[in-house]
Amino acid sequence: DIHMTQSPSSLSASIGDRVTLTCRASQSIAGYLNWFQQKPGKAPKLLIYETSSLESGVPSRFSGSGSGTDFTLTISSLQPEDFGSYYCQQSHSVPLTFGGGSKVEIK
Amino acid sequence: QVQLQESGPGLVKPSQTLSLTCTVSGGSISSDTYYWNWIRQPAGKGLEWIGRIYPSGSTHYNPSLMSRVTISIDTSKNQFSLKLSSVTAADTAVYYCASVGYCRGGICHKEFAFWGQGTLVTVSS
Repeated sequence: DIHMTQSPSSLSASIGDRVTLTCRASQSIAGYLNWFQQKPGKAPKLLIYETSSLESGVPSRFSGSGSGTDFTLTISSLQPEDFGSYYCQQSHSVPLTFGGGSKVEIK
Repeated sequence: QVQLQESGPGLVKPSQTLSLTCTVSGGSISSDTYYWNWIRQPAGKGLEWIGRIYPSGSTHYNPSLMSRVTISIDTSKNQFSLKLSSVTAADTAVYYCASVGYCRGGICHKEFAFWGQGTLVTVSS
């Protein structure tokens, strides 16, 4: 199985801050990395697919980058509605696996 | 736009079989444009992929659950289903059905673009 490690596990940031979340795969997954946002009591929502493609309707302040084993999700200017948990997920090989999540709180 | 809705019992006794159904609307479950997944999330914890089924009926399962999981598809009802046998308290979770965004020419994109709202299944006597 490909193990996904996210950091930090939690962070608190102010409105307008630039926030960077990282995700590391235990082996190369090429560009098959997706990012999800989840709010309490809700299903996850796809933000970024295949490392850097922005899902339709997702604000452009979200961006993704990386390759191989190291990936990042950046929120260029944190907004109040960006609180929640963020998960990375590899779709390179079965079993599909998720990172443990990064919880973003607004200061 | 594909929409998914989970249904099934919210309470299952230990050692019994958990059975859930996902009803798909806005798209045909038999179309090779999509494939269909089950994912679960224990309270306060992360996401675990359970398995997926293709319109052909071909399946992939998470090895950690493979001995207990069956995913099936009913094209006449536009539904797919999950059965998890010999459940314990560790199987208590919110269960989601989800689909890939689209497949074209055998290549699929936008993993888990569409999700159901999730259904809580509690394993308890």
